[in-house]
Amino acid sequence: QVQLQQWGAGLLKPSETLSLTCAVYGGSFTGYYWNWIRQPPGKGLEWIGEINHTGNSNHNPSLKSRVTISVDTSKKQFSLNLSSVTAADTAVYYCARTKGTYSASGPNDYWGQGTLVTVSS
Amino acid sequence: DIQMTQSPSSLSASVGDRVTITCRSSQSISRYLNWYQQTPGKAPELLIYGASTLQGGVPSRFSGTGSGTDFTLTINSLQPEDFATYYCQQSYSNPRTFGQGTKLEIK
Repeated sequence: QVQLQQWGAGLLKPSETLSLTCAVYGGSFTGYYWNWIRQPPGKGLEWIGEINHTGNSNHNPSLKSRVTISVDTSKKQFSLNLSSVTAADTAVYYCARTKGTYSASGPNDYWGQGTLVTVSS
Repeated sequence: DIQMTQSPSSLSASVGDRVTITCRSSQSISRYLNWYQQTPGKAPELLIYGASTLQGGVPSRFSGTGSGTDFTLTINSLQPEDFATYYCQQSYSNPRTFGQGTKLEIK
């Protein structure tokens, strides 16, 4: 059974950098795309970006150049950095797997538990 | 970006009812349409992918149809655990985008 466990700082000040890490347990890491998705309180879901085991990544242009997604295949982990945060970045952040090996077009079948990140001065 | 529009935004129904939620994309996405269920405080759970394929473990009262730009999620014989928020998502092209959600409430 695949499990995703995520962690990171939950309270940030404006202009700081958000950092989250997601570890994958119980399944293969290689061959899949790994995603970050966020959800502001009481609102809908927004895809942030994805990365595969080779480091090939894509991100949502709406976040411009603030997003960095990295991978550590040896640890079966991937990470999200979001720089220069503002209150608008307050959200629950989820990591998730894309279903299907070597495919970036599948659904997100396994999700982390979510991390609430609050940006406040 | 491909815009995803769900309707209705909210829906009241009773246990045993049949409900249908619609999702429309701003351009053709073939059958790259996925449905998720989310309950408060939990991560979304995948219900249906490829417009009509049921994810493993999902009850057969859930079904999906559609292709191109118009899609539907149908829940037959609503159960108490089905009252939740439902999201559609396109995985045809990046950035992946979601509908705004449909909140299904008990009447």
